[in-house]
Amino acid sequence: GQNIDQPTEMTATEGAIVQINCTYQTSGFNGLFWYQQHAGEAPTFLSYNVLDGLEEKGRFSSFLSRSKGYSYLLLKELQMKDSASYLCAAMDSNYQLIWGAGTKLIIKP
Amino acid sequence: GAVVSQHPSWVICKSGTSVKIECRSLDFQATTMFWYRQFPKQSLMLMATSNEGSKATYEQGVEKDKFLINHASLTLSTLTVTSAHPEDSSFYICSAKGQGITEAFFGQGTRLTVV
Repeated sequence: GQNIDQPTEMTATEGAIVQINCTYQTSGFNGLFWYQQHAGEAPTFLSYNVLDGLEEKGRFSSFLSRSKGYSYLLLKELQMKDSASYLCAAMDSNYQLIWGAGTKLIIKP
Repeated sequence: GAVVSQHPSWVICKSGTSVKIECRSLDFQATTMFWYRQFPKQSLMLMATSNEGSKATYEQGVEKDKFLINHASLTLSTLTVTSAHPEDSSFYICSAKGQGITEAFFGQGTRLTVV
């Protein structure tokens, strides 16, 4: 079956670094997405990885290992506004997105 | 990124009435649109996928006669919740994808409350 696993909740301190992990099992693979979702709002796109390695985009970086079915989202210099849910989604061979349940990130001062 | 506009942002309706939610791609042609619902603290649940000019493909367990989806143009898709009941209260979100574009862009979402 198809499955995405990510931690339910994480807590970090303002100014610190946090890594949110995601493992996936899909029928075929066409890329891994990370979205940010603030409470009561729709998700916003953060990153897309289809090749192994690290993609850096400002304070956010995303890593993919296809052989391990593993990705992580790295957030640096955390700000209070980064408090949100982070959704991991893998695209299968039919180009359908398989969504994780999301990781709620709590930032403390 | 591309802009997807969803309207209304929130709606309250009486049980038994129908509600239409619109999803528009403002600066690109959306060849594919996705409709999701999301319950509190849960992940997105794909309801249906629609390609412009074709009938929507519904996910298992989603009643196509209750959740009518129309994707008549490359910039507009609508979801109509017919004969709404309190259990249909949820956060409905659309996303749109253009030809050759990898990522899907989300609308703002619609909070539906059926009383």
